[in-house]
Amino acid sequence: AQRVTQPEKLLSVFKGAPVELKCNYSYSGSPELFWYVQYSRQRLQLLLRHISRESIKGFTADLNKGETSFHLKKPFAQEEDSAMYYCALSSTGFQKLVFGTGTRLLVSP
Amino acid sequence: DGGITQSPKYLFRKEGQNVTLSCEQNLNHDAMYWYRQDPGQGLRLIYYSQIVNDFQKGDIAEGYSVSREKKESFPLTVTSAQKNPTAFYLCASSGGTGGSQPQHFGDGTRLSIL
Repeated sequence: AQRVTQPEKLLSVFKGAPVELKCNYSYSGSPELFWYVQYSRQRLQLLLRHISRESIKGFTADLNKGETSFHLKKPFAQEEDSAMYYCALSSTGFQKLVFGTGTRLLVSP
Repeated sequence: DGGITQSPKYLFRKEGQNVTLSCEQNLNHDAMYWYRQDPGQGLRLIYYSQIVNDFQKGDIAEGYSVSREKKESFPLTVTSAQKNPTAFYLCASSGGTGGSQPQHFGDGTRLSIL
């Protein structure tokens, strides 16, 4: 069965500190992984996906198949990064997503 | 302005009553989805539709029904059989085929029981 685990409900850091939001998954096939973000009073939106290998707003995420992880990282957190972050997985060829329970990132000045 | 429109923003249901949540998209996307969001549980898939006139049950379909008569519309009915309907409901859509297409979300509908 497909499953996404985000072990931290809340992550609180100071501005300028490094950030790592953890995501682990279980899936027997070849997964596609995503990070979605929801800023205050905004819609849930895609932040990045592993196949793009891109950096969005300074965030990066690397798929580690050996550790079945897709952690989201940023070297220097900004206050505007405060939001709810969801890790999600889909199986290759299908668009149905399985979401984790989310991590709230709070960046303090 | 392209996007997904959900209505109403807030909805109240009486005991034994069916209610319908609206979801419309003008993104010309083939696939549409309904999720339920509860505190501490993330998003759980209720129903999804990959093409007009076709839909499949998600992980928590009991007590819900959907239709997909038009490409741009995917209404969700919360029936009286759903014993715990109080939640935040999100509609999404995605285009193309394959698993890497991002989903676009609406603003959501919050359903409460009177």
